[in-house]
Amino acid sequence: AQRVTQPEKLLSVFKGAPVELKCNYSYSGSPELFWYVQYSRQRLQLLLRHISRESIKGFTADLNKGETSFHLKKPFAQEEDSAMYYCALRTESGGYQKVTFGTGTKLQVIP
Amino acid sequence: GAGVSQSPSNKVTEKGKDVELRCDPISGHTALYWYRQSLGQGLEFLIYFQGNSAPDKSGLPSDRFSAERTGGSVSTLTIQRTQQEDSAVYLCASSRNSGGYYGYTFGSGTRLTVV
Repeated sequence: AQRVTQPEKLLSVFKGAPVELKCNYSYSGSPELFWYVQYSRQRLQLLLRHISRESIKGFTADLNKGETSFHLKKPFAQEEDSAMYYCALRTESGGYQKVTFGTGTKLQVIP
Repeated sequence: GAGVSQSPSNKVTEKGKDVELRCDPISGHTALYWYRQSLGQGLEFLIYFQGNSAPDKSGLPSDRFSAERTGGSVSTLTIQRTQQEDSAVYLCASSRNSGGYYGYTFGSGTRLTVV
């Protein structure tokens, strides 16, 4: 069965410091991974997806199949990055898809 | 519509009562999903619709929970005989056919409080 693990419930960093939000997954097939973000009082929204290899708001994430990881990184944290971050794994079986989310990591950027 | 709309935004109900939560997805999105968001539990998958059919109901926590979708559009999640442990934010999301490349678009959720 597929599983997404985000080991940190809370990550506090100082403004300007590097950020790494950890995500590990377990899935026997070919994974598709995403990061979603929820800012205070806003909707959960897609941040980035591994298949497009994009950088959004300075964040990047590289899929490491050997380590089954998809960590989210940013070299210099900003106060506006404070939010809840969810890693998600999309799988497809029998023509049907399913997206499994991790439990989330709250990022707190200290001014 | 322009986004995923959920109603009501807040619902307080007495234990034992039934509640209905509504989701209106983005026009043209064939896939619709319900999740439950609880503090410390992350996002718990409940049910997935492709068109009007629900190929995956594996996440519904008990037979008190049911959902339907009509006309390939609006969906209703019904919780019968609500319990205090049902208190959570119920999120609906929709996506284009596969939801792969474009991901999901979420609604703002319904906060359910069972007293």
